[in-house]
Amino acid sequence: DQQVKQNSPSLSVQEGRISILNCDYTNSMFDYFLWYKKYPAEGPTFLISISSIKDKNEDGRFTVFLNKSAKHLSLHIVPSQPGDSAVYFCAAIKGRGNYGGSQGNLIFGKGTKLSVKP
Amino acid sequence: DAGVIQSPRHEVTEMGQEVTLRCKPISGHDYLFWYRQTMMRGLELLIYFNNNVPIDDSGMPEDRFSAKMPNASFSTLKIQPSEPRDSAVYFCASHPGGDTGELFFGEGSRLTVL
Repeated sequence: DQQVKQNSPSLSVQEGRISILNCDYTNSMFDYFLWYKKYPAEGPTFLISISSIKDKNEDGRFTVFLNKSAKHLSLHIVPSQPGDSAVYFCAAIKGRGNYGGSQGNLIFGKGTKLSVKP
Repeated sequence: DAGVIQSPRHEVTEMGQEVTLRCKPISGHDYLFWYRQTMMRGLELLIYFNNNVPIDDSGMPEDRFSAKMPNASFSTLKIQPSEPRDSAVYFCASHPGGDTGELFFGEGSRLTVL
C-alpha cells in the first residue's frame, strides 16, 4: 500500500509558465515532507522541504504548499525553465526526519517527470 | 567537497553471479541508506545504518541480499545469487543526523542481470 502517491507520471509545461506537481499521502503521522529532483543518470538531489507546522515554504522559484486536512502537498515552479525538466519525487517522514529517534524512514512517491518546453 | 560515491556505475552480470555494490558516504555523516529504484516500485528503502550498525533492514527483499558497513567510510550491498528481477538502479545515501530529513544521494549503480 503506497503511503505517498504521485498520481501524475508526467507533466508537460511551456517555458515561463507555472508547473504544479502534486503529491498525496495517507499516513497522518508524517510530519515532514521533502521534494527531490532527479536528472537522468544522476542521484536525486534535495530541492525543498516543509514541516507539518507550516502550510507554505518558498525558495526562489520553488514553493511547496501543504494541506494537512487533505493530506496533500504540491510543488509550484514559477517561472518554469527548460533546465527544470527532470523527475520530481515527493517524500515524507515521521519524527521531523530525526532518524536517531527511530521514527522510520523516508517514504518516496514514484515520481513525476516534468518536461518544460522552450 | 566530495559527495556520496558509488561504484560501479554500471554492472551487467549473468543470473546466478554474485554482485557487490560499494558506497562511500559523505565524511561525518552518521547514517547510510541503501535504496533501490525500479519502474514498478519507485524508490524503496532496503536498509539503513547508524554509526555502522544496521537499524532497519525490513526492506531487504530476501536472503540473497546482504549489506555491511565495516567502518564509517564504506558500505557494501551484496546480491548472491543475482536474478533478472534484481535489475534496478541502486542508490546509496547518507545523512548527517539531526532533524532535517534531507538525504544526500550518490549517482547510483545501474545493475542489469541477464
